[in-house]
Amino acid sequence: NAGVMQNPRHLVRRRGQEARLRCSPMKGHSHVYWYRQLPEEGLKFMVYLQKENIIDESGMPKERFSAEFPKEGPSILRIQQVVRGDSAAYFCASSPKGTGTGQIYEQYFGPGTRLTVT
Amino acid sequence: TQLLEQSPQFLSIQEGENLTVYCNSSSVFSSLQWYRQEPGEGPVLLVTVVTGGEVKKLKRLTFQFGDARKDSSLHITAAQPGDTGLYLCAGARAQGAQKLVFGQGTRLTINP
Repeated sequence: NAGVMQNPRHLVRRRGQEARLRCSPMKGHSHVYWYRQLPEEGLKFMVYLQKENIIDESGMPKERFSAEFPKEGPSILRIQQVVRGDSAAYFCASSPKGTGTGQIYEQYFGPGTRLTVT
Repeated sequence: TQLLEQSPQFLSIQEGENLTVYCNSSSVFSSLQWYRQEPGEGPVLLVTVVTGGEVKKLKRLTFQFGDARKDSSLHITAAQPGDTGLYLCAGARAQGAQKLVFGQGTRLTINP
């Protein structure tokens, strides 16, 4: 069973360009989460999605950032007009579809995409 | 405001010694997960604790969830160089699928 896959692993963008980060969840998982890790800091939640739905985007910056998880294909985190402060490691995690209340949804992380803005 | 405080942030000890890492909060969590992260990689799930007072063991690692579900600890017995890494605790505020709140991590170095 393949784990969470992210690509690219490394991405370099000039200021003002767009960055697209992709995440394929583990087989059988229908919940996807994006987190950002700045240098020497812990992971910060950005957004939680299910297929075709954004469930919680409370951690997303209001501008330039968007996320989607289409019916077919990977989840995409898009950053428009990147700035140097966007340089970070972006991690995707997935958890399985639940079948009842009270269930613990363990999250499994991908290897991350390291974005460098020059 | 950091909801989960980990201590110490850095720890360097000799091989064979024991150590404890703490994860504290003033908030109650429905579950708490411990991850280990290697440089350049994503966090790898070690354990999930759910019940107040719960203790789980993973070889030389012992994880405990506080009775009030506000804190947790990770104890490593007879540390080995292979235990070197960044240890992260992460909590879920309610049951069900939702975001995790992470501590800032404990960077552990085990010297041979």
